Amino acid sequence: AQTVTQSQPEMSVQEAETVTLSCTYDTSENNYYLFWYKQPPSRQMILVIRQEAYKQQNATENRFSVNFQKAAKSFSLKISDSQLGDTAMYFCAFMKHETTTDKLIFGTGTRLQVFP
Amino acid sequence: DAMVIQNPRYQVTQFGKPVTLSCSQTLNHNVMYWYQQKSSQAPKLLFHYYDKDFNNEADTPDNFQSRRPNTSFCFLDIRSPGLGDAAMYLCATSTRPTGQPQHFGDGTRLSIL
Repeated sequence: AQTVTQSQPEMSVQEAETVTLSCTYDTSENNYYLFWYKQPPSRQMILVIRQEAYKQQNATENRFSVNFQKAAKSFSLKISDSQLGDTAMYFCAFMKHETTTDKLIFGTGTRLQVFP
Repeated sequence: DAMVIQNPRYQVTQFGKPVTLSCSQTLNHNVMYWYQQKSSQAPKLLFHYYDKDFNNEADTPDNFQSRRPNTSFCFLDIRSPGLGDAAMYLCATSTRPTGQPQHFGDGTRLSIL
């Protein structure tokens, strides 16, 4: 069975600074997908970034980038130039490559607080 | 904008009184999911539909059921809610091929009196 571990329950960063959220996972699969989702307080969960395991190049989306280390089973999220609106719960998630299901396995989340 | 809509945002019910939560989507996605999320925890998948095919998670209580009358709508029925069922319920959708991100609704916060 796959597991996802986020070892930082809470993080804080000052506005305009850079912060890195950690995520490790355990799987015997070779083909899979990894995601970071953001859930602001009392608001909808939205996709931040997606990585395909068979692509070595790290995914980036504007201020958000990942450091994907397949051999180490590590998938950290870097947020550059942090903004107050980045305050949220961040979930790392794993999805096995399968034709019959698209089940997401979530980590326990990291609560990020951005301070002015 | 195409989206996932959950109604109501807040639902209060009495212990043991059946309750139904609804989800609709305009994305025309063929997969719809229901998650339970308790405070400060990760979402827990209850079940999902791939078109009309229903897939129940092994540890989903029998108290929880779902209906999908058409592509756009999906319902979560809780037959006899207990205090432990108080949570946020999230609906999500996705499309095939596999590996596509899931799109979430705002959630329904369920309280049990």
